[in-house]
Amino acid sequence: NAGVTQTPKFRVLKTGQSMTLLCAQDMNHEYMYWYRQDPGMGLRLIHYSVGEGTTAKGEVPDGYNVSRLKKQNFLLGLESAAPSQTSVYFCASRSIRDRSYQPQHFGDGTRLSIL
Amino acid sequence: TQLLEQSPQFLSIQEGENLTVYCNSSSVFSSLQWYRQEPGEGPVLLVTVVTGGEVKKLKRLTFQFGDARKDSSLHITAAQPGDTGLYLCAGVDRGSTLGRLYFGRGTQLTVWP
Repeated sequence: NAGVTQTPKFRVLKTGQSMTLLCAQDMNHEYMYWYRQDPGMGLRLIHYSVGEGTTAKGEVPDGYNVSRLKKQNFLLGLESAAPSQTSVYFCASRSIRDRSYQPQHFGDGTRLSIL
Repeated sequence: TQLLEQSPQFLSIQEGENLTVYCNSSSVFSSLQWYRQEPGEGPVLLVTVVTGGEVKKLKRLTFQFGDARKDSSLHITAAQPGDTGLYLCAGVDRGSTLGRLYFGRGTQLTVWP
């Protein structure tokens, strides 16, 4: 089982460039999430999706857009990258069953540097 | 504002020592999860505690949920180098059908042989 797969694993961008991070899950999960992880800050929620065609803002959504055209894929876009967006980005997915107990399954992250 | 305060932020100990990591909040959660993260990987769930006062054991790791469901602790007995990693607590929002997680800042544990 692949679980949650994130591509690319590493990327270096120049300020103002755009890019899309791809997250794919093969567990038929309904919920998907994008987080960023910065040193000493834990994981902060950027955007999330409760199903195909639906997205919503999390804690730190500014500068990012998302799309969920297919249930298994959740895309995170940076339209005009800024140095403050240098971070490690994690995608996660979760089953809709039993909201309190189901763990979120994480990918291995995308390390993004903005110069 | 961090909903969950995790302490200590860093912990460096010798093999065989015991340690406790704390996760505190002023908010009540429907459940609390502990994750462990190794370098270059995503967090992996260790345990979920649901009931106030609940204690769960996972080999040498003991997890406790506070009676009021606002805090939790992780105790490791006789730590080993393989326990090295980033430990994250995450509270599950009791009012959210999304099951949104609020993460603490993490505790970076290093166990020296």
